Amino acid sequence: SQQGEEDPQALSIQEGENATMNCSYKTSINNLQWYRQNSGRGLVHLILIRSNEREKHSGRLRVTLDTSKKSSSLLITASRAADTASYFCATAGYISNFGNEKLTFGTGTRLTIIP
Amino acid sequence: EAGVAQSPRYKIIEKRQSVAFWCNPISGHATLYWYQQILGQGPKLLIQFQNNGVVDDSQLPKDRFSAERLKGVDSTLKIQPAKLEDSAVYLCASRTEGSYLWVGTDTQYFGPGTRLTVL
Repeated sequence: SQQGEEDPQALSIQEGENATMNCSYKTSINNLQWYRQNSGRGLVHLILIRSNEREKHSGRLRVTLDTSKKSSSLLITASRAADTASYFCATAGYISNFGNEKLTFGTGTRLTIIP
Repeated sequence: EAGVAQSPRYKIIEKRQSVAFWCNPISGHATLYWYQQILGQGPKLLIQFQNNGVVDDSQLPKDRFSAERLKGVDSTLKIQPAKLEDSAVYLCASRTEGSYLWVGTDTQYFGPGTRLTVL
């Protein structure tokens, strides 16, 4: 089953603008991760935020996490044509006492950057 | 560092036929995952291995799907017999060894996937 729901499902913006995607989830988590998937390719890990963190930055990426609202947002600043891809949030939780981590992915946001 | 390798990249079969996918994880990664990604959806975990043992296969349709990782390195996923609804991209991912102290710091590295079309 899908844990996260991304919003919006699709987003088109002009190059240079900022893009914001949101993710909501249902159960408690250890961390939340964002992945990018270009058409026809595997997923690439972008950023991980732990449940005790509220905000994290990596280059042009900014992620926030609100565990009280069970939601996260991914902001991509100064978008580029190469940012065109699908973006997925994935929540991580324990599946055993040995620390094995299980990722549950959301449905994704399709981002299109218009040159 | 070489990434996660998968083969074949594409496969087209008739329903009720059998198919197998192969995955070679990043060297030294103890944890290996197989995901199914249906068009327009996020990946869904099918099975997780820790070395050559199964950690989680709760979402694997065991009547038709099987997977093994005999020597704790590469892995195969098999579908027998295939159904139309099995059409999807099958993704393999690997991660360094999980441990309580390191949970939340390791990320999964994904292969390019195998696109399966069942006709």
